[in-house]
Amino acid sequence: EIVLTQSPGTLSLSPGERATLSCRASQSVSSSYLAWYQQKPGQAPRLLIFGASSRATGIPDRFSGSGSGTDFTLTISRLEPEDFAVYYCQQYGRTPRTFGQGTKVEI
Amino acid sequence: QVTLRESGPALVKPTQTLTLTCTFSGFSLSTSRVCVTWIRQPPGKALEWLARIDWDDDKYYSTSLKTRLTISKDTSKNQVVLTMTNMDPVDTATYYCTREEILNSGWYPFDYWGQGALVTVSS
Repeated sequence: EIVLTQSPGTLSLSPGERATLSCRASQSVSSSYLAWYQQKPGQAPRLLIFGASSRATGIPDRFSGSGSGTDFTLTISRLEPEDFAVYYCQQYGRTPRTFGQGTKVEI
Repeated sequence: QVTLRESGPALVKPTQTLTLTCTFSGFSLSTSRVCVTWIRQPPGKALEWLARIDWDDDKYYSTSLKTRLTISKDTSKNQVVLTMTNMDPVDTATYYCTREEILNSGWYPFDYWGQGALVTVSS
C-alpha cells in the first residue's frame, strides 16, 4: 500500500502568514489522485483539494495544491483565524486508500 | 442533498463484535458509480481507512484488519453495515462513513462524511 508522509508535524504561524504543507508518497500516485482535507476538533474532515490541485466546491482560493508523482504541497496563502486546524493528505489512486499522519497548523 | 449518518453502540466490551450502520440519503448504491467507505480515527490520532463497498457489491478491506472486518449493503434501506470482530481497547475511535464516486473525469474523493460515531472499547 502507498504510505504518505506529511511534514512538518506541527506548523506554528500567525494569521496573515503563508503556510506550506508537504506530503510525500512512497510510490507514485496515479493520475494525481491526491486529496487534502481540513479537520477541526470534534468535526469530520472537510475536502479541500482533489486531483492534487483542484479546489472542492466552496473552498476559498487562498487554498492551493500542487505536485505530482510522489511530492505534493498544500499552500494557504494568507492564514485566516478559521484555518488553524489539522490537515491530512490522502491518495485515492489505489486501494486501500491511505492518509498521511496529519499536519497541525497552530497559532 | 447528500447526507450520511453513523449509528451503533457507544461502548463495547473487549472480544465483542462491533456492528455499525451507515444510513445515507441523496444518492443510491444500486444505480450510481458510488462507493461507501468506513474510516476511523482514534482520539488524537490520524485517519485510518477500513473498508469500502461499491455500487456493484465489490468489497475492499484494510490489509491489517481484513480478517476482522465485514462490509455489506442493504440497497433498499440505503444502509451500509460494518462489523468488526474481537474488539480491543486499541479499537477505541470515532468511526466515520463517507462517500466516494467515479465521475466521467475519474475518481472523486471523500466529499460527504457522516458526523462520526465514537466507540469506546472497555470492560
